[in-house]
Amino acid sequence: NAGVMQNPRHLVRRRGQEARLRCSPMKGHSHVYWYRQLPEEGLKFMVYLQKENIIDESGMPKERFSAEFPKEGPSILRIQQVVRGDSAAYFCASSSEAGSNTGELFFGEGSRLTVL
Amino acid sequence: KNEVEQSPQNLTAQEGEFITINCSYSVGISALHWLQQHPGGGIVSLFMLSSGKKKHGRLIATINIQEKHSSLHITASHPRDSAVYICAVSNTGFQKLVFGTGTRLLVSP
Repeated sequence: NAGVMQNPRHLVRRRGQEARLRCSPMKGHSHVYWYRQLPEEGLKFMVYLQKENIIDESGMPKERFSAEFPKEGPSILRIQQVVRGDSAAYFCASSSEAGSNTGELFFGEGSRLTVL
Repeated sequence: KNEVEQSPQNLTAQEGEFITINCSYSVGISALHWLQQHPGGGIVSLFMLSSGKKKHGRLIATINIQEKHSSLHITASHPRDSAVYICAVSNTGFQKLVFGTGTRLLVSP
């Protein structure tokens, strides 16, 4: 049973380009979370999705960032018109249950975005 | 003040030593997580607990809900335990985690 798969592992973009980060949750998991780790800072929650629904996006910047988790295929975190401050590691995690004290979280290896 | 505070920030130990990392939080929680992150690497979930104590191999996690405090213990530490250990809490019905800033552990042979 493959773990949470994220790709690309490393992505380099120039300012103004778009970045697309993909996350395939563990088999059977329908709950996906994205977290961001800025350089020398702690992790922060960005968004929580279930299949075809955004449940909580309170941690997402209001502009340029969007996330989706379609019925088929991976979850995608999209960053439009990237700026240097978007350089960070983006981690995806999945769980089989929604409950915060029942749904064990499994993390991916992260996608490290560098904006030149 | 951060909602989740960890101590110490940095910890060095000799192989074989018993290690304790502490986590205090200021909000009511539904669950607390201990995570491990190796430099440049991914994140591994070590424990998720809402009460009492859990043990996995040489790792033990405890939580005191009344005192809003948790500890992660590593017995017989080994250089491969060198990593950043992160405490995180959830105070919602799902895994909208609030993270501590992490404890950087270095275990020397």
